[in-house]
Amino acid sequence: GQNIDQPTEMTATEGAIVQINCTYQTSGFNGLFWYQQHAGEAPTFLSYNVLDGLEEKGRFSSFLSRSKGYSYLLLKELQMKDSASYLCAAMDSNYQLIWGAGTKLIIKP
Amino acid sequence: NAGVTQTPKFRVLKTGQSMTLLCAQDMNHEYMYWYRQDPGMGLRLIHYSVGEGTTAKGEVPDGYNVSRLKKQNFLLGLESAAPSQTSVYFCAVQQGSTNTGELFFGEGSRLTVL
Repeated sequence: GQNIDQPTEMTATEGAIVQINCTYQTSGFNGLFWYQQHAGEAPTFLSYNVLDGLEEKGRFSSFLSRSKGYSYLLLKELQMKDSASYLCAAMDSNYQLIWGAGTKLIIKP
Repeated sequence: NAGVTQTPKFRVLKTGQSMTLLCAQDMNHEYMYWYRQDPGMGLRLIHYSVGEGTTAKGEVPDGYNVSRLKKQNFLLGLESAAPSQTSVYFCAVQQGSTNTGELFFGEGSRLTVL
């Protein structure tokens, strides 16, 4: 079956760095996505990886290892506004997205 | 430029009642999706459409129907609501079936079935 695993909740301190991990099992693979979702709001796109390696976009970076079925989202210089859920989603061979349940990130001052 | 608009934002139904959720987009995108989001679970695809006049079933289509008569609108219908359909519903649009696959979401519609 197809499956996405990510931690349910993480806590970090303002100004610090946090890494949110995601492992996936899909029928075929056409990329790995990260979305941010603030409480009561819609998800918004953060990143897309289809090749192995690190993609950097400002304070956020996303890493992919296709051979390990593994990705992580790295958030640097954490700000209070980064408190949100982070959704990992893998695209299968039919270009359908398989979503994880999300990781709730709590930032403490 | 509103992007993706869902109506209504909130609704309370009694078991057996029917209702329709409307998703309207001004982005001129081809692909439109209806998802539901429940606590502790990932987004689950209900139905989707790859263009005007076409619809297809997703992962959890039972109890729902959809229509895409106009490119900009995607309707989700519940013919006979059940408590298991209590959820937050999100519409999303996508330019096309490309590898970037970025989805643009509406604000969500919170439905409670008593």
